[in-house]
Amino acid sequence: AQSVTQLGSHVSVSEGALVLLRCNYSSSVPPYLFWYVQYPNQGLQLLLKYTSAATLVKGINGFEAEFKKSETSFHLTKPSAHMSDAAEYFCALGLRNAGNNRKLIWGLGTSLAVNP
Amino acid sequence: DGGITQSPKYLFRKEGQNVTLSCEQNLNHDAMYWYRQDPGQGLRLIYYSQIVNDFQKGDIAEGYSVSREKKESFPLTVTSAQKNPTAFYLCASSYANSNQPQHFGDGTRLSIL
Repeated sequence: AQSVTQLGSHVSVSEGALVLLRCNYSSSVPPYLFWYVQYPNQGLQLLLKYTSAATLVKGINGFEAEFKKSETSFHLTKPSAHMSDAAEYFCALGLRNAGNNRKLIWGLGTSLAVNP
Repeated sequence: DGGITQSPKYLFRKEGQNVTLSCEQNLNHDAMYWYRQDPGQGLRLIYYSQIVNDFQKGDIAEGYSVSREKKESFPLTVTSAQKNPTAFYLCASSYANSNQPQHFGDGTRLSIL
């Protein structure tokens, strides 16, 4: 069965420190993978997506993620955290050859706090 | 600018009432989705539609109903059968290909009076 696991429901970093948010997936077919960010009382905004081109994907706001098939991972990183990065982050899995089943499978989210 | 519009932003329901949440998109997307978001539970899919006049149940469809009479619109009705409707509701849309991301509206927060 396909699934997404985000390790750590809450992550806290200092301003200027490395941000690492973990996402592991399980899929019987090659996946598409997405990272989204959600600020309080708002919808989700796409940060980046992996669709089988480059394994290192660059997104908005200085974030990037690396697809590692051997580790079934798609961790999100940012070299230097800003206060404005404090938000909820979601990893999602899309399935190739989905036919009529084009739903995304969502992780439970990771809340990122940035301390001054 | 193209986007997804959800209305209202805040909605209050009395016990026993049905309420309808609006979702309109002008992105020319084929597929539309409704999610429910509760603290600590991520996004749970209520209903989705990949084409006009057709829709499928998601993981938590009980107590909800939808229609898809136009490509641009996918309203969600929270019926009185939904016993715990207080939540944040998100509408999304996407192109039909599974490698395309979903685009989200700003959500509707529903509360029970």
